[in-house]
Amino acid sequence: QVQLQESGPGLVKPSETLSLTCTVSGGSISSYYWNWIRQPPGKGLEWIGYVYSSGSTNYNPSLKSRVTISLDTSKNLSSLKLSSVTSTDTAVYYCARGTGWLAQNWGQGTLVTVSS
Amino acid sequence: EIVLTQSPGTLSLSPGERATLSCRASQSVSSSYLAWYQQKPGQAPRLLIYGASTRATGIPDRFSGSGSGTDFTLTISRLEPEDFAVYYCQQYCCSPITFGGGTKVEIK
Repeated sequence: QVQLQESGPGLVKPSETLSLTCTVSGGSISSYYWNWIRQPPGKGLEWIGYVYSSGSTNYNPSLKSRVTISLDTSKNLSSLKLSSVTSTDTAVYYCARGTGWLAQNWGQGTLVTVSS
Repeated sequence: EIVLTQSPGTLSLSPGERATLSCRASQSVSSSYLAWYQQKPGQAPRLLIYGASTRATGIPDRFSGSGSGTDFTLTISRLEPEDFAVYYCQQYCCSPITFGGGTKVEIK
């Protein structure tokens, strides 16, 4: 059973870069899409983007200029970087594995607060 | 961008009752690439239905999905206590992937 675990700083200062990793255990990175999705406190879900195991990426246009998603196959992990953050980027960030564009297996999520 | 509108926003029902949740898309969702997720407080969303009507692994058969084109429905035939949660629809046919705003199913 694949397990995904997000990790990274829980507090980021405005204008800085948010960096998270998603460590995968019990499964391979190969042949899957690795999505990042976020949820502001008390609100709905927003798709950030994905990286396919080939390295190709697709980002939400609303965040595209600030987002980088990558894979490290040697460490079996996916990474998310979001630059120039503001308070509106405060959210629980989830990674999710999928076949095709469907998010099938989700991590438990990690709360990132943007505040000085 | 495909906008998904879920209704109602909140559904107040008793255990044992039938729940019918709606998801309407601003344009046709090709190949019925429509999914439903359940989310409980403090937990990640859990995939219930994909392809508009296929239950994910381990999902009880009281959950069913239907619809095509722009109108989709999630039905819970008889609500169990553990079914009270927020439900989201998602289209994954077209970029950007989008989610509906959610329907909260609460105990009446």
